[in-house]
Amino acid sequence: KQEVTQIPAALSVPEGENLVLNCSFTDSAIYNLQWFRQDPGKGLTSLLLIQSSQREQTSGRLNASLDKSSGRSTLYIAASQPGDSATYLCAGTQGGSEKLVFGKGTKLTVNP
Amino acid sequence: GAVVSQHPSWVICKSGTSVKIECRSLDFQATTMFWYRQFPKQSLMLMATSNEGSKATYEQGVEKDKFLINHASLTLSTLTVTSAHPEDSSFYICSARLAGLRLAKNIQYFGAGTRLSVL
Repeated sequence: KQEVTQIPAALSVPEGENLVLNCSFTDSAIYNLQWFRQDPGKGLTSLLLIQSSQREQTSGRLNASLDKSSGRSTLYIAASQPGDSATYLCAGTQGGSEKLVFGKGTKLTVNP
Repeated sequence: GAVVSQHPSWVICKSGTSVKIECRSLDFQATTMFWYRQFPKQSLMLMATSNEGSKATYEQGVEKDKFLINHASLTLSTLTVTSAHPEDSSFYICSARLAGLRLAKNIQYFGAGTRLSVL
């Protein structure tokens, strides 16, 4: 059974700092690993999707990597901005299926 | 593209009443939709997988008679919370998976969520 853990639970950084969010998963038979952003009381915005054959994906200031052998994914945010403040969720598929298992998220606060 | 609309965004109801939540894929067809529940400071938990034209598949521990799912068309799935109680108060989010495109077949697009408060 897939379990997804995100560390840290909360992170506060000054504006402009580069930062890394961590995600670990237990089932290496992962099909997709996805990073989402969730603003308070809102739905999810998909940031990056890494398929099993890929090692990383980039979009603007965001870069996500996937290491299936170690069961880890990281989300790198460059030159953080106050608008990046949100909860970041990592989700991996379970047992080769399309079901997504979510971590509890990392709440990021970027201070001006 | 790939927009999922969820309605209503917020609903307050009395205990014992039923509430229907709609999830629509606006610009694509979705043979499969998913329903999640999120309690405060918790992660999203998959409740059920909804397949167009067939019965939904519920996750362990989710009461299928309490959470009725109907996926009558390729663009609409509904979740009805029957005889709602305060413990059903939560944030419900749906997602839809693109149909027919091999490369995108495993991408889920999420609605904005529905906050249910049962008094």
